[in-house]
Amino acid sequence: AQTVTQSQPEMSVQEAETVTLSCTYDTSESDYYLFWYKQPPSRQMILVIRQEAYKQQNATENRFSVNFQKAAKSFSLKISDSQLGDAAMYFCAYRSGSGSRLTFGEGTQLTVNP
Amino acid sequence: SQTIHQWPATLVQPVGSPLSLECTVEGTSNPNLYWYRQAAGRGLQLLFYSVGIGQISSEVPQNLSASRPQDRQFILSSKKLLLSDSGFYLCAWSLLRGTDTQYFGPGTRLTVL
Repeated sequence: AQTVTQSQPEMSVQEAETVTLSCTYDTSESDYYLFWYKQPPSRQMILVIRQEAYKQQNATENRFSVNFQKAAKSFSLKISDSQLGDAAMYFCAYRSGSGSRLTFGEGTQLTVNP
Repeated sequence: SQTIHQWPATLVQPVGSPLSLECTVEGTSNPNLYWYRQAAGRGLQLLFYSVGIGQISSEVPQNLSASRPQDRQFILSSKKLLLSDSGFYLCAWSLLRGTDTQYFGPGTRLTVL
């Protein structure tokens, strides 16, 4: 079974600085997708970024980028120029290329200090 | 554009009472639909998913059931709630084909007393 591990329960960053959130996963499959979701205090899950395993190029969405290391099964999220609105719980998630289930990590609570 | 709705937003129910949570999607046809539960401060656990009307797959044996009476409607039910059913329930949708990214609704906070 696939597992997703987020080893940092909490992280903090100064406003305008850069922070990296870690995620590792375990799978025997070659076709899969990885996601980062953000959950603000409202608790709605918001998609931040998505990466297809077959793509070597790291995904980027504005201030958010990933470092996808397929051999190491690592998928970290970098937030540049952190803003107060980035404060939230961040979840890493995995989906098999042949399935519908999303497997989530336990989350990292990000605090942004002014 | 697609939107997903859930209601109620919050619910407080006594142990042993029935439950019905509703999820509807607008702006798309034949979506995959999902129910997740999130315990306080934890990750999400998939409960049910559906690829079409009347087609329900259960991921975790439990006190809950799901139904899909219409293409864009997904209902989570229980005949008798347990204390352990308390949590935050999220509905999500994805395209049956294509990118298959899951998009989440606003959630329902359920407290069982």
